[in-house]
Amino acid sequence: QSVLTQPPSVSAAPGQKVTISCSGNSFNIENNYVSWFQQFPGTAPKLLIYANDKRPSGIPDRFSASKSGTSATLDITGLQTGDEADYYCGTWDSSLSSYVFGSGAKVTVL
Amino acid sequence: QAQLVQSGAEVKKPGASMKVSCEASDYFFTSHGVSWVRQAPGQGLEWMGWISSYNGHTAYAQKFKGRVSLTTDTVTNVAYLEVRNLRSDDTAVYYCASLDFDYWGQGTLVNVSS
Repeated sequence: QSVLTQPPSVSAAPGQKVTISCSGNSFNIENNYVSWFQQFPGTAPKLLIYANDKRPSGIPDRFSASKSGTSATLDITGLQTGDEADYYCGTWDSSLSSYVFGSGAKVTVL
Repeated sequence: QAQLVQSGAEVKKPGASMKVSCEASDYFFTSHGVSWVRQAPGQGLEWMGWISSYNGHTAYAQKFKGRVSLTTDTVTNVAYLEVRNLRSDDTAVYYCASLDFDYWGQGTLVNVSS
């Protein structure tokens, strides 16, 4: 059971937008930076977003994120077939003294 | 560009120990720490702990305390993850990553089976 709750799957047609939510509490999301990761089958995760809404160099601006209170969201606009992957949120949890990941959301391009 | 290269896949018996290495290139070890994350087959990501390569300070997820050790060799720029008393549910791909998760190793599959 993950501390951070994500929908198991989201889907949309090519060119459309998907939004992935990540729900936590005051010990994790509300008071700590959130990161987002993209993972293709059989490969290591890749950092997409750090510090709630910042993109590392090389990450397209089609990927954007925000945080409000105890929830965070990742938006993918202009959806492409190459975006089909699992997406995880992650943040520090002060009550657990651990870094925690969301359960992961699978993005499917219809 | 930092690069993390992990040791190869392992097969272990229950009760045995495993030690996975993670070699960092460039200046990595002098200014970064190393996180360890595992992923069981078909499951999500699970943070195990991290170690500062600057002062050796460690932090472990509660469930791994006492059974997992993180170490670094700052001469060879290698980080190590040791897991003792392996169980079948330790079967997973183990990843090292930079402290802020901006760089990742390729993963090491450890299969625990009798």
